[in-house]
Parts: sequence; C-alpha cells; structure tokens
Amino acid sequence: DTGVSQDPRHKITKRGQNVTFRCDPISEHNRLYWYRQTLGQGPEFLTYFQNEAQLEKSRLLSDRFSAERPKGSFSTLEIQRTEQGDSAMYLCASRTGDSNTGELFFGEGSRLTVL
Amino acid sequence: AQSVTQPDIHITVSEGASLELRCNYSYGATPYLFWYVQSPGQGLQLLLKYFSGDTLVQGIKGFEAEFKRSQSSFNLRKPSVHWSDAAEYFCAVGPLNAGNMLTFGGGTRLMVKP
Repeated sequence: DTGVSQDPRHKITKRGQNVTFRCDPISEHNRLYWYRQTLGQGPEFLTYFQNEAQLEKSRLLSDRFSAERPKGSFSTLEIQRTEQGDSAMYLCASRTGDSNTGELFFGEGSRLTVL
Repeated sequence: AQSVTQPDIHITVSEGASLELRCNYSYGATPYLFWYVQSPGQGLQLLLKYFSGDTLVQGIKGFEAEFKRSQSSFNLRKPSVHWSDAAEYFCAVGPLNAGNMLTFGGGTRLMVKP
C-alpha cells in the first residue's frame, strides 16, 4: 500500500537558500494539496491542484513560494530565498475527484528548519 | 471566513476514562466537518467526518462525534481511552465542493496517564 510520500523528510538550510520539496500522491488521486504546519498550530492551506492545474492559492503563498504539478502526478513546492519564518512542516495531501466527500490522505510531511 | 476553535490546547486523562475534545466552528453555509489525529512523526489520519444525515457519526478507533448546529460544535468523544490514543487531535471544516480546502483548528494534545 503506497500512501502519499514526501521527500525529503527533513531539511536544514541557511537563510537565503532555495529549497524544494517533492510530493508523490496516491496514484489514482487527481487532487493534490499543500499545507503548512508551524509548531503548536494546525495545518494551514497553501495551494491545491486538480491534475496539473493549480486551481487555488492561499494568501500565505508569497512570491517566494511556487508549486508545480507538471504531469498531473507528483508535485514540487519550491521556496526561494528562505527566511526563518519559513521554518515549518510542509504537508502534502491527495484525494480522488470522484466525489466532493472523498477522504484527504496526508503524507508524513517535510520538516524545514531555516537557520 | 471560516474558522475553527479548539479551546483546549492540552488535555490529560487516565487510561480507561472517557474523553471529550471540544471543537467550535464558524462557517457561512452547511459545513463539512472532520476530526484528524496526528501521532508524533506521522501524517494526519482521518478519524471521522460529517457532511449530512445523522448528527452522531462513528469513526475509527472507537471515536464518535456529534454535530450540533445550534451550538456550532462538533465535539469528539470516546468512552474509554487507551494509552495509544495519546496524540494531537485536529478539528477541521471545509466546503462541500470540488476544492474542499480545509480550515483546521489549532489542535488539542491528548496525554494519557496509566
């Protein structure tokens, strides 16, 4: 059983560097979501894809953030010129598009620490 | 704008005791409500969801939740807590549409005493 997988699980970087996270959703899921979770908080929605189309972006997603899903399968989230405030867990989730009540399956997250 | 409040940041219960975790939401239409659990180092796992019908919903691991529209609440309950239930619990609300972007509460950390 292959669930949602994220890579890397942990990333430590210096302020100003660029980082990229990858998410591989469950294979038949056409909807993919990115959330950010800071320490002691619940996840916050960042962006959402249906197949390769990015349909929604949160105001939390500054110009330094970009997400892609080029072939409608895996997705990448890139953060340019990282800041200490970007330190968080970045969660990916996916679900089918068959109904609006489908369960969202989350990956284990990619933890970013910006020094 | 939609929002979710989980008033209790930490709760400690004894193993075998009953549990209730509170969740209050603010939403302009009929809400689609969820409870997720997150164990350390793990992703979020869905415990249960409500979108229509019977206001008492049953979930996995012996959990249930009751939707009370008049109180804008969706409290999670379990009659007898096990040590393995120690985790962080998140309530979430979302629209019943194709996007279904969820808004999460801040979470309640549950500790279980032996």
